[in-house]
Amino acid sequence: SQQGEEDPQALSIQEGENATMNCSYKTSINNLQWYRQNSGRGLVHLILIRSNEREKHSGRLRVTLDTSKKSSSLLITASRAADTASYFCATDSTGGFKTIFGAGTRLFVKA
Amino acid sequence: DTEVTQTPKHLVMGMTNKKSLKCEQHMGHRAMYWYKQKAKKPPELMFVYSYEKLSINESVPSRFSPECPNSSLLNLHLHALQPEDSALYLCASSGHRDAGKFFGPGTRLTVL
Repeated sequence: SQQGEEDPQALSIQEGENATMNCSYKTSINNLQWYRQNSGRGLVHLILIRSNEREKHSGRLRVTLDTSKKSSSLLITASRAADTASYFCATDSTGGFKTIFGAGTRLFVKA
Repeated sequence: DTEVTQTPKHLVMGMTNKKSLKCEQHMGHRAMYWYKQKAKKPPELMFVYSYEKLSINESVPSRFSPECPNSSLLNLHLHALQPEDSALYLCASSGHRDAGKFFGPGTRLTVL
């Protein structure tokens, strides 16, 4: 079962532009994670933000978390063609282990 | 070694066949997972093993049978599958509850 929704479902931008993806979830969480998936292969863990954190950075990635609104956003700055992929948010409820994925955003970066 | 490996990469099987998917990690992770992913959908959790014991079974049909022989290996035994079981099967591991997961490349399964 999916935890929530991601918005937009698909996003097409030019290389060098910023890409913002949003994720909403339904239940209380322990942490929220973002993953990238290229061409239906394995997922790559990008970043994890804990429920008591509001913002986190990793290279060109910036993640925010608003637990009052049950939402998160992923910003990719200065996008590259290699960033073309599907991006999923995923949440761990209290107690961990049961990681539930959102529907995903398909990002296409045009060179 | 920060890799999760899965074999085979592709598998085609008939509805009467018995086959197994294999997953291996050498990161010392004590939690291992099986996910199923249909095209253009998010991964769906199937099973979780914690310290080699089955911790979560998400009401998966008994034609899927997981096995964790040791802390590095995870198998998924398949028997009498249906065509709708065709999907990408992903294995993952994590060091502890509150950590991101390492995913393998997946096994693309086709059931004829």
